Amino acid sequence: EAEVAQSPRYKITEKSQAVAFWCDPISGHATLYWYRQILGQGPELLVQFQDESVVDDSQLPKDRFSAERLKGVDSTLKIQPAELGDSAMYLCASSFRDREHEQYFGPGTRLTVT
Amino acid sequence: EDKVVQSPLSLVVHEGDTVTLNCSYEVTNFRSLLWYKQEKKAPTFLFMLTSSGIEKKSGRLSSILDKKELFSILNITATQTGDSAVYLCALMNYGGSQGNLIFGKGTKLSVKP
Repeated sequence: EAEVAQSPRYKITEKSQAVAFWCDPISGHATLYWYRQILGQGPELLVQFQDESVVDDSQLPKDRFSAERLKGVDSTLKIQPAELGDSAMYLCASSFRDREHEQYFGPGTRLTVT
Repeated sequence: EDKVVQSPLSLVVHEGDTVTLNCSYEVTNFRSLLWYKQEKKAPTFLFMLTSSGIEKKSGRLSSILDKKELFSILNITATQTGDSAVYLCALMNYGGSQGNLIFGKGTKLSVKP
């Protein structure tokens, strides 16, 4: 069964360091989403791609976060510099174009900033 | 501002009990309401509801939407320890970016043997 792949699964970094997460969506899924889930909260959308284009990054803290999906397939989310408050689970999801209600989530990357 | 409020935030029951999880929402342009189950990692899709009064059912789980009163419930009958998880309610609206899910904080369900 096709799955969304994410790596690494866990990451511990010191504040002010740079960190990057990778996501490979399900093959054929044009839409890719990055969510952040703080402990005890629901996921919050950071950025949404349609193919290689960003369609929504209104909740992305652009002073330190960046995301790209250069070839419209896999995607990278970067944080530089990391802050203590960035400790969270970073979830990637994907869906077919025009079937946004069927988002399939990856296992997530749990980030701890010390 | 669109928002989703879930209650209770946590719940402890014994195997065999029936539970009802609540989700109320405020939205300017409703498209659909979704329920997810989240165990240790990624949320997995349970139901999508778009019309009032039509029950969606999958095994021991069922859900219904009331668009007049702006809420949904998720029922689990004959609970099992494997039902222990966080249940997330999410709203999808029209406008803005299509596909933006607005999640509630979740209800943490613990089923004791």
